[in-house]
Amino acid sequence: GESVGLHLPTLSVQEGDNSIINCAYSNSASDYFIWYKQESGKGPQFIIDIRSNMDKRQGQRVTVLLNKTVKHLSLQIAATQPGDSAVYFCAENLGSKSGGGADGLTFGKGTHLIIQP
Amino acid sequence: EAQVTQNPRYLITVTGKKLTVTCSQNMNHEYMSWYRQDPGLGLRQIYYSMNVEVTDKGDVPEGYKVSRKEKRNFPLILESPSPNQTSLYFCASRAGTGNQPQHFGDGTRLSIL
Repeated sequence: GESVGLHLPTLSVQEGDNSIINCAYSNSASDYFIWYKQESGKGPQFIIDIRSNMDKRQGQRVTVLLNKTVKHLSLQIAATQPGDSAVYFCAENLGSKSGGGADGLTFGKGTHLIIQP
Repeated sequence: EAQVTQNPRYLITVTGKKLTVTCSQNMNHEYMSWYRQDPGLGLRQIYYSMNVEVTDKGDVPEGYKVSRKEKRNFPLILESPSPNQTSLYFCASRAGTGNQPQHFGDGTRLSIL
């Protein structure tokens, strides 16, 4: 049977529709956020980033929205295309950190975006 | 073309046989990092390096070593691999410190039998 945690949340959208992928982040002190796209057999690819002094940033066909009040980040993809099919995950960065331990970047587990023809 | 290059892309080996995964970047980035990616656990940082001869532990450093003798290279060393190190490994780099996106290689799939 299935094991909890092995399957990513899935978002299925029709080709041409808009996609909205959500991410809840954990630390109110995080000051930088990144969205990555990971296609099968490839490494994560940078899509767009946003700093905590902004609440919206737009790129080509993508928009990132940041709601610091509820610690929520979203990625909107306009006119979704077959090539958008991938796993998308967000990452938060606590900014400058001193001392040992991980260098502040924490990744979410991802959402699998499936495009239906 | 700006890129992070990992080798090998795939490796099947046996417990205890030392192996090295190389990572090279051509962007003159100061910061480099290694991650492992496992189902249900996402990306977890193994080690990172802020610059030449400066390395530090990430979240899951046990069983791994790294070195940073040159700015462009950041090899990951498994002195005595064990089956629980079977995973997909990614190297990444970014410019400077703080708020910059990391650029990732295409991954190395290791299977330790």
